[in-house]
Amino acid sequence: GQQVMQIPQYQHVQEGEDFTTYCNSSTTLSNIQWYKQRPGGHPVFLIQLVKSGEVKKQKRLTFQFGEAKKNSSLHITATQTTDVGTYFCAGDEDTGFQKLVFGTGTRLL
Amino acid sequence: DAGVTQSPTHLIKTRGQQVTLRCSPKSGHDTVSWYQQALGQGPQFIFQYYEEEERQRGNFPDRFSGHQFPNYSSELNVNALLLGDSALYLCASSFASLRDTEAFFGQGTRLTVV
Repeated sequence: GQQVMQIPQYQHVQEGEDFTTYCNSSTTLSNIQWYKQRPGGHPVFLIQLVKSGEVKKQKRLTFQFGEAKKNSSLHITATQTTDVGTYFCAGDEDTGFQKLVFGTGTRLL
Repeated sequence: DAGVTQSPTHLIKTRGQQVTLRCSPKSGHDTVSWYQQALGQGPQFIFQYYEEEERQRGNFPDRFSGHQFPNYSSELNVNALLLGDSALYLCASSFASLRDTEAFFGQGTRLTVV
């Protein structure tokens, strides 16, 4: 079955430093979504990427979807304390229904 | 708009018992998906309900079953609980007609099996 891996598992950064997490799927995706989960909380939607090679920005966050639609990345510039949490990518295969396969997550400390 | 609501928020059960978790989707949403999130892991897809029928299922045993009601709310039932069923159970709702759309998650039910 489809597998989605993320690296790194953990990342400790000083405030002001940049942070990047990478996501790789074993299969081609219809779209990829990114979620943030704070400790003790639930996943909160950040963004969705649909097109091959797509790049989207949200303030200090930059999201990319690979040309082959099998990988993605999230880059945070000048991290702040409010960025602490676990970032998950979630891949959706083109099965006709939305079925999210979550990555292993990257915990930003 | 109340968003996705789940009940209860926390639950402690004994091994072998049965449990029912409940989810009310975001207003207007017609599709409910259930996920299991073990500590330190990403959410794992259990199954999805649309039009009161299970239309997709992840790699979970038959001990996990569900139901969707005419008002789109949903229940997740787990029989013969095992210690390994301890996890955060998340409900997510969405529009079936919008293929590429975000899923709205509830706050989850934290199940502890002792």
